[in-house]
Amino acid sequence: GAGVSQTPSNKVTEKGKYVELRCDPISGHTALYWYRQSLGQGPEFLIYFQGTGAADDSGLPNDRFFAVRPEGSVSTLKIQRTERGDSAVYLCASSFRAGASTGELFFGEGSRLTVL
Amino acid sequence: GENVEQHPSTLSVQEGDSAVIKCTYSDSASNYFPWYKQELGKGPQLIIDIRSNVGEKKDQRIAVTLNKTAKHFSLHITETQPEDSAVYFCAASRAGSARQLTFGSGTQLTVLP
Repeated sequence: GAGVSQTPSNKVTEKGKYVELRCDPISGHTALYWYRQSLGQGPEFLIYFQGTGAADDSGLPNDRFFAVRPEGSVSTLKIQRTERGDSAVYLCASSFRAGASTGELFFGEGSRLTVL
Repeated sequence: GENVEQHPSTLSVQEGDSAVIKCTYSDSASNYFPWYKQELGKGPQLIIDIRSNVGEKKDQRIAVTLNKTAKHFSLHITETQPEDSAVYFCAASRAGSARQLTFGSGTQLTVLP
C-alpha cells in the first residue's frame, strides 16, 4: 500500500480483556516502531523492530504488553488483561532502515483503544 | 533518560505572520532533532529535521535552529497559512536517527484567516 496501515482504527474493550492491534508497514521498510499517544501528549516510544527481531523493547510499560513481527513485515501489538490506563492511540511507524542517516519515520493513523 | 519540554502549548497567529515553537532537551548525547506535524485523526508527519553537526536548516517557509550549548532547538514558520494549523511536536534522539524518539508534549498552532 501507499502508507502504513493500522487495524482496527478503533477498538473498545472491557477491563481485563485481551487485545491485538495490527500494523502493516510500507513495503520494503525493514524497521518498524510502536508508539503510544495519550490524549494531549506526544507519542511515547514502546518498541522497535529491525527485521523480525525486537531490537529495543525498553519502552514497553510492563509484561502485559508484547509485540511480534514473525516474517519481518506485519507486526501485532498484544495487550493482555487490559486496564483503563491502557486507553490511548497506538501508533505504528516504519522506516527504510534504522540507524541510518535518512531514518524518516512514516506513521500510520493509529488504533484508538478505549478500555471501559 | 531524555526529557523534552516544548513551549508554548497553544499558539494563535494571524495569517501571514510568523510562528515560533521552542523545545529544550536534557540529554547532551542527543544528536537528532525532528519536527512533526499532526493533523486531527492522522499520524504525525515529519516536516523537517536537524542533526547536531549543523546549527540551522531551512526548507521553504520552515526553518529549524539548534543551540547545542543551551540544549534547545526551535521551529520557525514564516508566512503562515490556515493549512499550517495543526499540532506540532518536537522530538530528540541520541541514536543519530529516528530510532527511539522522545517527543515533546505538542503545540496546537492555529492560523487565523
